[in-house]
Amino acid sequence: GENVEQHPSTLSVQEGDSAVIKCTYSDSASNYFPWYKQELGKGPQLIIDIRSNVGEKKDQRIAVTLNKTAKHFSLHITETQPEDSAVYFCAASKGGGGNKLTFGTGTQLKVEL
Amino acid sequence: DAGVIQSPRHEVTEMGQEVTLRCKPISGHDYLFWYRQTMMRGLELLIYFNNNVPIDDSGMPEDRFSAKMPNASFSTLKIQPSEPRDSAVYFCASSSDNRGNTIYFGEGSWLTVV
Repeated sequence: GENVEQHPSTLSVQEGDSAVIKCTYSDSASNYFPWYKQELGKGPQLIIDIRSNVGEKKDQRIAVTLNKTAKHFSLHITETQPEDSAVYFCAASKGGGGNKLTFGTGTQLKVEL
Repeated sequence: DAGVIQSPRHEVTEMGQEVTLRCKPISGHDYLFWYRQTMMRGLELLIYFNNNVPIDDSGMPEDRFSAKMPNASFSTLKIQPSEPRDSAVYFCASSSDNRGNTIYFGEGSWLTVV
């Protein structure tokens, strides 16, 4: 089955700096890669996703890049703000019916003032 | 649109008791997922349904766990008998083939078995 590894497990940045979280996956058939943000006491919320037919996608301060050859994808957050502090999860799936996600282990991001 | 609704939000129960977690998916979604989140194992898929039919229950840990979806707007996850190692956050999520298959999560049910 699919295996997703995520690094780092914790990340501390100063407000205004950039944050980068990296994930690798094992199944070359995976073609859908979402990122979720989970705040304390809440469920994961989708913040951005990318499909394998594109290499990069951007939404305001958030961007995701995908390298299918190397089987890795990354989340980039620019101009970080305190409200970006949360746990971020990457995931991978083969898409299609059900879109069964395999999650990474999460990154605790702390944005310090 | 209302999101995925789960109940109870928090439950503390004694070992050996039956626990029932409930979920209402987003209206119109035809897939429903049950995930479990723990510090040790992260987010694990337990089971998922398509059009109320269980498709893959390979993640269900053991026979003490069961899940049903009697109709398109309701699902339950039952643990009987519960054990302390079942303590976790249980998330329900839903998606639709017609809406890009984005998976939306509920706020979770925080279960503590003492």
